[in-house]
Amino acid sequence: DAGVIQSPRHEVTEMGQEVTLRCKPISGHNSLFWYRQTMMRGLELLIYFNNNVPIDDSGMPEDRFSAKMPNASFSTLKIQPSEPRDSAVYFCASSRSSFRVYNEQFFGPGTRLTVL
Amino acid sequence: DAKTTQPPSMDCAEGRAANLPCNHSTISGNEYVYWYRQIHSQGPQYIIHGLKNNETNEMASLIITEDRKSSTLILPHATLRDTAVYYCIDKSNFGNEKLTFGTGTRLTIIP
Repeated sequence: DAGVIQSPRHEVTEMGQEVTLRCKPISGHNSLFWYRQTMMRGLELLIYFNNNVPIDDSGMPEDRFSAKMPNASFSTLKIQPSEPRDSAVYFCASSRSSFRVYNEQFFGPGTRLTVL
Repeated sequence: DAKTTQPPSMDCAEGRAANLPCNHSTISGNEYVYWYRQIHSQGPQYIIHGLKNNETNEMASLIITEDRKSSTLILPHATLRDTAVYYCIDKSNFGNEKLTFGTGTRLTIIP
């Protein structure tokens, strides 16, 4: 099993540019999560999908952030326009969820984003 | 989900048992206690979870007090690779799947 795959692993961009982060969940998992980690705010959930449908996007900072999951094997997190304060490590995680049964979340290696 | 409290840092000698405490005094009846850890520069990794009985797996043991207001994660024979930040999280097993990470405990294993 390849685990959760994220790309790119590192991204350096200039303020105002569009950034797209990509995630491929573990095959057979039906929940996908996007987290962001900074020194100031720690690890926080941005949005999660279940069966490709966004369930909780309360952590999305503002309209500059958007996430999509067009199919069960792919998701994107887009920032447009990017700002220096968006610099962080972005993690994608997936799990096989079912009602009333918790299944562990498997995290990808993360994308380290630097906005200059 | 309820809030948990953990010491910010701990040291443990290699080969000894590492005991990481967590307070969750406001945990509700349907909330489990979950432990994840994050090794430097990696994504978090699930360790173990429990409701009210003690649990053990290949990675660790989880001891939950009878009143469920606190718990202890035990790494029986700590190795250098166990150096990481350990997060204790309260979460219900139904409803919203989000994990709310606190600041965790930074465990350093000393050679």
